[in-house]
Amino acid sequence: GDSVTQMEGPVTLSEEAFLTINCTYTATGYPSLFWYVQYPGEGLQLLLKATKADDKGSNKGFEATYRKETTSFHLEKGSVQVSDSAVYFCALSRTSGTYKYIFGTGTRLKVLA
Amino acid sequence: NAGVTQTPKFQVLKTGQSMTLQCAQDMNHEYMSWYRQDPGMGLRLIHYSVGAGITDQGEVPNGYNVSRSTTEDFPLRLLSAAPSQTSVYFCASLNLGSGETQYFGPGTRLLVL
Repeated sequence: GDSVTQMEGPVTLSEEAFLTINCTYTATGYPSLFWYVQYPGEGLQLLLKATKADDKGSNKGFEATYRKETTSFHLEKGSVQVSDSAVYFCALSRTSGTYKYIFGTGTRLKVLA
Repeated sequence: NAGVTQTPKFQVLKTGQSMTLQCAQDMNHEYMSWYRQDPGMGLRLIHYSVGAGITDQGEVPNGYNVSRSTTEDFPLRLLSAAPSQTSVYFCASLNLGSGETQYFGPGTRLLVL
């Protein structure tokens, strides 16, 4: 069945460091891929998305490219800030047949000043 | 435009008690869903609905009931609470016709003693 695998956290970085959070997926066909962010005490909110192979989603300095050949959607940011401290979830959705939306387990990011 | 709202924010129950978690959205979205979030397990889908009068089971439906009498509301019922249902519950909605982005409520934290 469909699944999403994220790197284990927590990830601790100093301010202005480079961030990569790995995400790989298993799915037939061409799902849409998402990154959601959850700040402390809040619900999830969409960070970026990509709907087809080679698409690059970007928002707030974060980027992720839909790689069909490696079934990956890694999240990157060139220079993290303390305010980026949150939990990041990779997810996929499929609309063929029964609608499904599957999340990874989440990766906690802590950025130190 | 309030988006997705959930009540209550926090609830303590005793084993065997029943309760209903409320969820409402004002975006006229067809699709609504309930997730539970547990440490190390990410978000798991409990039930979902693709429109008024239509509901279906997700990954972890046991112990929960739902109904969808209107487009706006999607309550989640616990008929006989168990300690294993201690979790944070999120409701989400999306417009099936436009981009598959889910919008999440702020969550309900439930403690079952």
